Amino acid sequence: SQQGEEDPQALSIQEGENATMNCSYKTSINNLQWYRQNSGRGLVHLILIRSNEREKHSGRLRVTLDTSKKSSSLLITASRAADTASYFCASFSGGYNKLIFGAGTRLAVHP
Amino acid sequence: DTGVSQDPRHKITKRGQNVTFRCDPISEHNRLYWYRQTLGQGPEFLTYFQNEAQLEKSRLLSDRFSAERPKGSFSTLEIQRTEQGDSAMYLCASSLEVTGNTGELFFGEGSRLTVL
Repeated sequence: SQQGEEDPQALSIQEGENATMNCSYKTSINNLQWYRQNSGRGLVHLILIRSNEREKHSGRLRVTLDTSKKSSSLLITASRAADTASYFCASFSGGYNKLIFGAGTRLAVHP
Repeated sequence: DTGVSQDPRHKITKRGQNVTFRCDPISEHNRLYWYRQTLGQGPEFLTYFQNEAQLEKSRLLSDRFSAERPKGSFSTLEIQRTEQGDSAMYLCASSLEVTGNTGELFFGEGSRLTVL
């Protein structure tokens, strides 16, 4: 079962534009994480936001969390062709046991 | 390189054969996870270990699948009598579980299985 569902499933933008991806989850969470995956590779952790936080920044990344709506968003500003990848949200529910991933957003950034 | 390593990276096998994948986690990490990922989907949880103890298994893990972590270090995932539906990327991840930690997982590059 998937804890998170990303929206949109696919996103195509030009270099320099901002990319926004949304994630909805089902159960209560301790924290929500975003990962990136280049085609055919493993996943890389990008950023984590705790349930008592509303917004977090890391470089060109901005993550928001709305626990009342059970949703999160990932914003990548000033996108680059190298940002082309799939992005997944993931969360633990009920403790640090298993991290459950959504289906992901496939981002394509065109030069 | 002290990251998570997986072997082999690619495996092509015929239906009915057995395959085994190995994962070497980051040395100080006490948790080890296995995930399966098919094309266009997110990783699906299969199982995880806390040291050598297998604490949870997904219902996705049929009796043809078995995972071990005998000394709390490396892990193996074996698939017996492979079926075409087993074709997927098998991802291993590790983490250091201590009170109040972030729960960040470190992934290997995966082992891609193709069953003909």
